[in-house]
Order: sequence, then structure tokens, then C-alpha cells
Amino acid sequence: GAGVSQSPSNKVTEKGKDVELRCDPISGHTALYWYRQSLGQGLEFLIYFQGNSAPDKSGLPSDRFSAERTGGSVSTLTIQRTQQEDSAVYLCASSLERTLPFYEQYFGPGTRLTVT
Amino acid sequence: GEDVEQSLFLSVREGDSSVINCTYTDSSSTYLYWYKQEPGAGLQLLTYIFSNMDMKQDQRLTVLLNKKDKHLSLRIADTQTGDSAIYFCAESINGGSQGNLIFGKGTKLSVKP
Repeated sequence: GAGVSQSPSNKVTEKGKDVELRCDPISGHTALYWYRQSLGQGLEFLIYFQGNSAPDKSGLPSDRFSAERTGGSVSTLTIQRTQQEDSAVYLCASSLERTLPFYEQYFGPGTRLTVT
Repeated sequence: GEDVEQSLFLSVREGDSSVINCTYTDSSSTYLYWYKQEPGAGLQLLTYIFSNMDMKQDQRLTVLLNKKDKHLSLRIADTQTGDSAIYFCAESINGGSQGNLIFGKGTKLSVKP
């Protein structure tokens, strides 16, 4: 595709419900990242997938958050038992494993999650 | 831990130069980046600098890196109303091998006509 796509673009959910956010990376990109953009918090790294390696989950804020990447392409970020503080824009990015001479991540438009 | 700091707001008049400043903590950062986020849009890589460089110029953009002070700046010459956006400074930790970028909170640039 032309760029990173994310769905849905907006999601409103009730506190306590589970949500799934989807990311379609650029074709051929082996690295995929999830970030969260909250008011007053800037951009926060959540998780990183690189090829077949174990993902780097060091940024996930709690065990309610999980992500998977199937077939090395599409990724789903799942938030269980959502809380109001989970309200944010969730951004996905992808990149080639290592793009010389620099390392560029291409971002999707994000999913705005609102927990009521 | 790693941290990237930048001022939250900057207001300039059209035609003036804008300077957005950033400080970072990870001295092993290989690349430092400036991303631009326009209203309702995703982040877009604006420019980057390799850590062994002091300066990089790209049309109206000038990036200055003071590695000793861990200070990065972005200068936009002849600022236009279309430059109004949020600008994020970011560093790649561990030479990019772990992949994730550490972002500042973003500087909102407002350009007044």
C-alpha cells in the first residue's frame, strides 16, 4: 500500500470493555512499532516487532495491554478492561529493518480511543 | 532513563525564523530526528542528523547538534503559516538496534500572519 494504515480511525468504548486496534504496515517493512500519544504526555513507546524476533514489550504500561503481529505483517493492539486513562491516540509505525543511511519510521494516522 | 525535553509552545510572526530547542540524555544515540505533526495528521519525518555531525542544512531547515551539551535545535527560516504544527524531537536509543524512538512532548509552533 501507499502508507501505514490503521483502523478504526476513532473508537469510543465504555470503561471495562476490551478493544482491538489494527495496523497495516507498509508492504515489505519488517519492523513495526506502536506508540501512544496522550495529552500532556507526548509520544510514548509501547511495543516493537522486528521480523521473527521476540517483540520488545518494555513500553507496555500494564498487563492489560498486548499486541501480536501475524505473518510478519498486520498487527493488532489489544487493550483489555479499558480504563479512562487509556484514552489517547494510538499510533503505529513501520520501517525497513535498517534503512541506510538513516533509520526512518513511517507513521500511520492513528486511532483515537475514547473510554467513557 | 532516557528522556527528551523540549519547550511546549513557540509563537512567531510569518517571515521570521523559528528556533525549536531540544535536550536529550542518551549519549549513545546514533541518530536524532525532527518529526512534524500537522493538525489531524500522522507524524512525518522532517529531518534527521547523525550524531557525528554538528550541523545539517536542508532548504529552510537547519539542524544544529551540540553533542557535549546533548542539545539539538531546529531552525526554520522564513517561517510560513503552513509551518504551524507540532514538532517532535526524537532520539534512537542503543544505536537503533532496539528500534524504538524516544520522543519529546512536542513543541507547538504557531505562526501569526
